[in-house]
Amino acid sequence: GAVVSQHPSRVICKSGTSVKIECRSLDFQATTMFWYRQFPKQSLMLMATSNEGSKATYEQGVEKDKFLINHASLTLSTLTVTSAHPEDSSFYICSASAGSGETQYFGPGTRLLVL
Amino acid sequence: SQQGEEDPQALSIQEGENATMNCSYKTSINNLQWYRQNSGRGLVHLILIRSNEREKHSGRLRVTLDTSKKSSSLLITASRAADTASYFCATDGRGGADGLTFGKGTHLIIQP
Repeated sequence: GAVVSQHPSRVICKSGTSVKIECRSLDFQATTMFWYRQFPKQSLMLMATSNEGSKATYEQGVEKDKFLINHASLTLSTLTVTSAHPEDSSFYICSASAGSGETQYFGPGTRLLVL
Repeated sequence: SQQGEEDPQALSIQEGENATMNCSYKTSINNLQWYRQNSGRGLVHLILIRSNEREKHSGRLRVTLDTSKKSSSLLITASRAADTASYFCATDGRGGADGLTFGKGTHLIIQP
């Protein structure tokens, strides 16, 4: 299957700092990328959908000013957690899709710990 | 309302036995997918079944979809210890261009 990478795989930061997470589709062009969050022992929850060259669409309850998403190319989307707080500690997973209704391929996830 | 709820939430079986997990959803879908997640890791796509399909096979996996009952099942035959993981169903009930809605997952343990 298609390969999606995320960087970093793990990050620890101090409260109040910003953290950027990258999501790359390595062998296909992803017209759409998605960002999910997973708290321990819970399922994945969609945070936002980003289409290349467009503003991201955020799910209800997700603060767009706190979770900045940029999808500047067909192979790269970034999620920036601004002014991170301990409650933002979670597993952030991106996925990429080549088109509407097509399989979403997931990245390996980024574990964020905010102290 | 919760989309894609799996049952059981946890399942423990002996190696070699078959494992069946079920998923129910509430709205119309274009397709339903099953994913596996090992502890603390990313998701591995297992199989996608479209709304006009009733059954699909992939290796030791068999997925069924009943759109009238809004339910799906994942059968893993001849289970192996390496199958130990959490399994999630996910639906795309909003036209396929939006993100997936995941169920709570079934944690499968294969006893050697």
